[in-house]
Amino acid sequence: SQQGEEDPQALSIQEGENATMNCSYKTSINNLQWYRQNSGRGLVHLILIRSNEREKHSGRLRVTLDTSKKSSSLLITASRAADTASYFCATSDTGGFKTIFGAGTRLFVKA
Amino acid sequence: DTAVSQTPKYLVTQMGNDKSIKCEQNLGHDTMYWYKQDSKKFLKIMFSYNNKELIINETVPNRFSPKSPDKAHLNLHINSLELGDSAVYFCASSHTDRGNEKLFFGSGTQLSVL
Repeated sequence: SQQGEEDPQALSIQEGENATMNCSYKTSINNLQWYRQNSGRGLVHLILIRSNEREKHSGRLRVTLDTSKKSSSLLITASRAADTASYFCATSDTGGFKTIFGAGTRLFVKA
Repeated sequence: DTAVSQTPKYLVTQMGNDKSIKCEQNLGHDTMYWYKQDSKKFLKIMFSYNNKELIINETVPNRFSPKSPDKAHLNLHINSLELGDSAVYFCASSHTDRGNEKLFFGSGTQLSVL
């Protein structure tokens, strides 16, 4: 069953602008992760935030987690054309053997 | 050195045939997975194996039979292929015994059933 749902489904912005993607999930989680997928490629892990964390940064990425609302957001600052990709949130149960992905947000950054 | 490699990259076959996809990881991970990505990019977990043992089987038809000969390999055999099996299949691995659930993905196998 699908766990995470992302919003928006697609996002088109100009280079230099910030991009914000949201993810909602349904059940209790151990952690939430964000992945990027370039066209025709496998997914690449971007950042992991644990259920007891509220915010995490990695370079131009900022992730927030609100467990009371069962939601997370990914902010990409100062976007570049190379950021054009699909972005997926994923949640893992305690055992870590089952990571479930949302439907993804397609981001297009225009140069 | 590719961390998670799967072969073939493309697979075109007729309905009713049997085919296999191979996956190998050189990361020393203890858990491996198969995911299916449909034409709408929705990614669904199929199987996960931990130390060669099946942990998760997400109600996948028994035409799909994974096999893990050792911790570094997880192959997927599909019998009697159907049109609906057309998708991109991704192998992934992770190190769950260290509490790190970060997944490393292969580059995918695009299966087209004609």
